[in-house]
Amino acid sequence: DAGITQSPRHKVTETGTPVTLRCHQTENHRYMYWYRQDPGHGLRLIHYSYGVKDTDKGEVSDGYSVSRSKTEDFLLTLESATSSQTSVYFCAISSDRGLADTQYFGPGTRLTVL
Amino acid sequence: SQQGEEDPQALSIQEGENATMNCSYKTSINNLQWYRQNSGRGLVHLILIRSNEREKHSGRLRVTLDTSKKSSSLLITASRAADTASYFCATDDFSGNKLVFGAGTILRVKS
Repeated sequence: DAGITQSPRHKVTETGTPVTLRCHQTENHRYMYWYRQDPGHGLRLIHYSYGVKDTDKGEVSDGYSVSRSKTEDFLLTLESATSSQTSVYFCAISSDRGLADTQYFGPGTRLTVL
Repeated sequence: SQQGEEDPQALSIQEGENATMNCSYKTSINNLQWYRQNSGRGLVHLILIRSNEREKHSGRLRVTLDTSKKSSSLLITASRAADTASYFCATDDFSGNKLVFGAGTILRVKS
C-alpha cells in the first residue's frame, strides 16, 4: 500500500453526525483522490486534489467536503452522515505525470452509518 | 456513470487454466488500466496500456486494446489460487482529469 495510510480503518456512526476520514501519504505525490466502493458500482470518485488547497468535485460529491492543507494529508468530511453513505472509502494518490496515470490505493475505511 | 464495463461479472476456473476478462468503454481515451483487488484490500495497479498501443505483457498478464471497438481484454495465463480477486478496468475521461472504474470481474481460481 505504497506509503498511504487511512484512518480510521473502521467506523460506526449515527445518522446526522459529522465524520472525518483521513488519508496520509509519504510519497510526496501531487494528486490525491477519495473514492467510495459499493457493490455493483465499482469505485466512484468523490473528490480529488491536484495540489495543496486545490480540490475539485468528482462523480458523487454531494454530502461530502474535502480539505488539503498539506501535501501529505487529504481529509474527507461527511457533513451530516446518512445511511446511504455507508460504504468502503478508498484514498488514492498519483504522481505528477497526470491525473489519469497510475494510481496507488490505501487500505480503505469501512464506514457504517446507523 | 461508468466509462468501463467488465465482462463477465464473475468467472470461476481451475488452477492452471487461463482467465480472460473483457472491458468495454464508451468514449475516446488516452489510456486504459487494469487493477486487482483482493478481498478487503485496496486496489493494486497491474498494467497500463496507452491508446496508441495494441498489446502489452507483464509476467503472466497480457492486455490488448482495440480502440476501434472501444474494448480491452486482460488474459491471465496459467492461473493460480492466489489470482482469486476482483479485477477492474479504468479509463481516463479523455480530458485526463480522472480515472473512471468499471464494476469489476470477480475471478475465482479453484485449486
